[in-house]
Amino acid sequence: SSELTQDPAVSVALGQTVRITCQGDSLRNYFASWYQQKPGQAPVLVNHGQNNRPSGIPVRFSGSRSGNTASLTITGAQAEDEADYYCNSRDSSGNHLGVFGGGTKLTVL
Amino acid sequence: EVQLVQSETEVKKPGESLKISCKGSGYTFTNYWIAWVRQMPGKGLEWMGSIYPSDSDTRYSPSFQGQVTISGDKSLSTAYLQWRGLKTSDTAMYYCARRYYDSGSFAYDMWGQGTMVTVSS
Repeated sequence: SSELTQDPAVSVALGQTVRITCQGDSLRNYFASWYQQKPGQAPVLVNHGQNNRPSGIPVRFSGSRSGNTASLTITGAQAEDEADYYCNSRDSSGNHLGVFGGGTKLTVL
Repeated sequence: EVQLVQSETEVKKPGESLKISCKGSGYTFTNYWIAWVRQMPGKGLEWMGSIYPSDSDTRYSPSFQGQVTISGDKSLSTAYLQWRGLKTSDTAMYYCARRYYDSGSFAYDMWGQGTMVTVSS
């Protein structure tokens, strides 16, 4: 079982705002990173830490954290944002291991 | 160009051994941890373990400890993932990813293209 919990599926109307969440005890101490994966492709980093976006990632992807919950917010969702989204962080063991959330399938209506 | 290039698709029989590779280029390979990530068909990403190529410090998820071996050859800028007795349940796509540190947090900023491993009798 994953130490990071995500909702399996979320939907959003085109152009609207959606928040994808990730819950876990380790998030109280460590930041999350977020990955977008489209069918048949490798994951792509879209946000990490205190809202850091890699070069080339649209500004509509923003990240935040509150308590044991990290969030990825897409402001003005586009059709091309339909994908699976995974959070990642360190696990809670203190052994510097990684862990992924179970993933959230985002549907843009 | 910074990239990770993985070895090609593998088709194996149960019980066989396998070693797949991940070669880094365009950056100093020894300065970044490399993680291995499993994705079974239709399922999510699973963090398997990681290696720091500079000193071969290796960490394993408890779920994969003893099931696989992660190694590296810094002279070849290559990380490896190895099995000594494959099972049908090892059928999956395997990704390597580079971990970097920026603005106070870690993230996997570069991913290999994936190696599909199929284990079937």
